[in-house]
Amino acid sequence: GAVVSQHPSRVICKSGTSVKIECRSLDFQATTMFWYRQFPKQSLMLMATSNEGSKATYEQGVEKDKFLINHASLTLSTLTVTSAHPEDSSFYICSAEESGSYEQYFGPGTRLTVT
Amino acid sequence: QKEVEQNSGPLSVPEGAIASLNCTYSDRGSQSFFWYRQYSGKSPELIMFIYSNGDKEDGRFTAQLNKASQYVSLLIRDSQPSDSATYLCAFRSGGSNYKLTFGKGTLLTVNP
Repeated sequence: GAVVSQHPSRVICKSGTSVKIECRSLDFQATTMFWYRQFPKQSLMLMATSNEGSKATYEQGVEKDKFLINHASLTLSTLTVTSAHPEDSSFYICSAEESGSYEQYFGPGTRLTVT
Repeated sequence: QKEVEQNSGPLSVPEGAIASLNCTYSDRGSQSFFWYRQYSGKSPELIMFIYSNGDKEDGRFTAQLNKASQYVSLLIRDSQPSDSATYLCAFRSGGSNYKLTFGKGTLLTVNP
């Protein structure tokens, strides 16, 4: 149980284009989902907290107009990187928390490369 | 600012030995603590969590929490080469904020 999927697993896009990443909880309902970014040899940095049916809460320094988050249902959250630039190249990981649980379950991650 | 400090390593142990990973945190309001394992190029996977002082054991893993010293550790008994990974500790404060704050991780290498 407690499986989280992400799609796509890898994406290469050109500078200036937008990329959408999906995060799904497959066997549980997730009131809250989190989006992280991880650069090589660094730890996970929380970008935003996504609650179903409401606006996402962004961490300080994260541009909400650049990283659009939509949590349309209890099993799906999406992150759209708009007008991507090479410095946005990173490993993007989502996690989902089952209602009433202490545990966050991570998706497999999406490696974004912007050329 | 809430912080989590981990020795970045690398920590190298021989196969079969006990690996000891340590983590300190600055936020006294922290209520629950997590250990994640992350293989290179993969996302983190939860090993265990602990929220009460003392030890919590799960198979070869034991988490130890000392809230007075703001210290949490993870012991891996009978270390295997497959345990070679980066181990991340994280904590969550109480209240309605369910965010996890992660340390930078400790790279563990288990030598056959």
